[in-house]
Order: sequence, then C-alpha cells, then structure tokens
Amino acid sequence: NAGVTQTPKFQVLKTGQSMTLQCAQDMNHEYMSWYRQDPGMGLRLIHYSVGAGITDQGEVPNGYNVSRSTTEDFPLRLLSAAPSQTSVYFCASSYSPAGTTNYEQYFGPGTRLTVT
Amino acid sequence: AQSVTQLDSQVPVFEEAPVELRCNYSSSVSVYLFWYVQYPNQGLQLLLKYLSGSTLVESINGFEAEFNKSQTSFHLRKPSVHISDTAEYFCAVSEPRRGSTLGRLYFGRGTQLTVWP
Repeated sequence: NAGVTQTPKFQVLKTGQSMTLQCAQDMNHEYMSWYRQDPGMGLRLIHYSVGAGITDQGEVPNGYNVSRSTTEDFPLRLLSAAPSQTSVYFCASSYSPAGTTNYEQYFGPGTRLTVT
Repeated sequence: AQSVTQLDSQVPVFEEAPVELRCNYSSSVSVYLFWYVQYPNQGLQLLLKYLSGSTLVESINGFEAEFNKSQTSFHLRKPSVHISDTAEYFCAVSEPRRGSTLGRLYFGRGTQLTVWP
C-alpha cells in the first residue's frame, strides 16, 4: 500500500490564483481530513469527510473547498489564494471498524504552499 | 470540543538524559489519546496511543505515556534520549462517540524536543 499520498510537495502561488491540492489513499478508509500546520499553532482542521459524498467544515474552513466523489480521493481547493494561506498542508485518513470510533489517523507527507 | 495544552513549546536536553513532554486536555469525558512525532520536513507518524485498558502505554523506541484521568493528562516520557529523538511531538485527543464525526482529532501546539550531544 502507498498509504496517503499528496501532490504537489511544493507550490508557489501568486495572490488571487487558484489551485487544487491532491490527496489520495489506498487503504479504503472512510474518514479523510485536511489540516494546515503553522509554526506554534499545531495542526488545525480545515475540512473533513466521513465518506464519499459527505464533507463538513473544521476549525478554519474559510477560503477552502473540498469534495469527496470517491473513497480514495479528497482534493482541497484554494479558490483565491491569499498570503495568510501560506502553510504546510497535511491530508490524513482513518478507519473505524464497525462498532468503534475514532481510531488513529494516517498522515500524508505534506504540501508546502507559499503565497506571494 | 476538546482543548489540548502542551505546556512546553521547546525542550532541550542532553543525550542520555531523561525527558518528559507534558500534555493536558480539557474534557473529562471518555477520550482516546495519541502522541504523534514529526521529524524535519516529514509528515506525522503515530508514536503511541491510549484507547482503553492499561493506563501506561509504550512505543517500540522506548517512549512511554501514562493516562491520568483525574488530572486529564497524558505525559510522554523517555528515560534516556538519543540525538535521533530530535523532532516535534504532538499530543492529540479524540472523543469516541458513536455516530459522530469519525476520527476528529484535536491537537496541541507541539513540543520541539532537541537532543544535544
């Protein structure tokens, strides 16, 4: 298994540009999420999905959109990039066997985004 | 929602010294607890977890953490650190509620452990 993969690894955008960060997992996990990591702030949840066709907002959703058309893929879209979105973005997935909840999450390697 | 506090943002220690990284969470409801480690320019890797049972959990590389329900703490310890343990460590908490947001994790702000020779 490749686990959780993210592309690209690095990206530089100009203010106002849009782009999509890709995330895929091959573990058939139901739950997927996007976090951003900023120095001294830990990881903050942007959006998450509990299954194909179902998404919801996390702590810091403004400026980002997501969709979940398949179990495997969970892309994150920046609609109009701003310097405040300069960050490292992590995608994660997890699986909860029937009758249980909230097991560990598996993280991708991250995308380092700079908005100038 | 949970609030997770990691009391030290930076912990410098010398090689072979003991270390404790502290983590407290806000809610006294039933929780799952995790420590993740992030090496430079990498993603997060699970170090250890507490789901139920024994309150002392161990990792394969010598770390251990103890769940203390009365103090709502999950401190991470290692009796003798190596230079290779230099990394950022994140404490995370989730609330196992049936039918709710699966896998929702609340993270602390992280503790940078630096081990000096």
